[in-house]
Amino acid sequence: DGGITQSPKYLFRKEGQNVTLSCEQNLNHDAMYWYRQDPGQGLRLIYYSQIVNDFQKGDIAEGYSVSREKKESFPLTVTSAQKNPTAFYLCASSLSPRTSGNGELFFGEGSRLTVL
Amino acid sequence: GEDVEQSLFLSVREGDSSVINCTYTDSSSTYLYWYKQEPGAGLQLLTYIFSNMDMKQDQRLTVLLNKKDKHLSLRIADTQTGDSAIYFCAPRAGGYNKLIFGAGTRLAVHP
Repeated sequence: DGGITQSPKYLFRKEGQNVTLSCEQNLNHDAMYWYRQDPGQGLRLIYYSQIVNDFQKGDIAEGYSVSREKKESFPLTVTSAQKNPTAFYLCASSLSPRTSGNGELFFGEGSRLTVL
Repeated sequence: GEDVEQSLFLSVREGDSSVINCTYTDSSSTYLYWYKQEPGAGLQLLTYIFSNMDMKQDQRLTVLLNKKDKHLSLRIADTQTGDSAIYFCAPRAGGYNKLIFGAGTRLAVHP
């Protein structure tokens, strides 16, 4: 079945460690996104990528890094520079807005990161 | 920057209608989406409305859009316990596929 797979679902990290969250999609979507969700707040955009080998910072990119070497994959690294990394992270993908369609974002099931 | 406001909680009795409201600031929004999130899961698209429409109905769901007031609402008829979730309003900002999410409205359905 087509969809977006995030892993791991739960992750614990010690302070000062980098951690990488995986996001893979088999929907043949050009665009991929990373959002962060905190209780009582809306989703905030961390990074997005419209095409392979290209990505742009979102609203809260500091302390995060990404790569887009393959169309299917958009991993997110939470670095030790991120001051408050404990959160629920959501990956999404969509067709390019230049194509027809409603621009729907398809979301993965999320990864919950806890810093100990 | 763009902003989206939603009330945080709504409690309804099973079988009643639920109305979730949203206000936004970006008047250039072309598509406006409603997403549903169940506990510990990702978001799923419920419905959407294009900015040149005032209303869209989809089975139990009715979306109303007032562009002048930048107000969007989602009505769920005959609300069921399975409708308990967080509902996000998300206008699409500008030409790129950037969605601006509200904080979400937690809908609780009680017997």
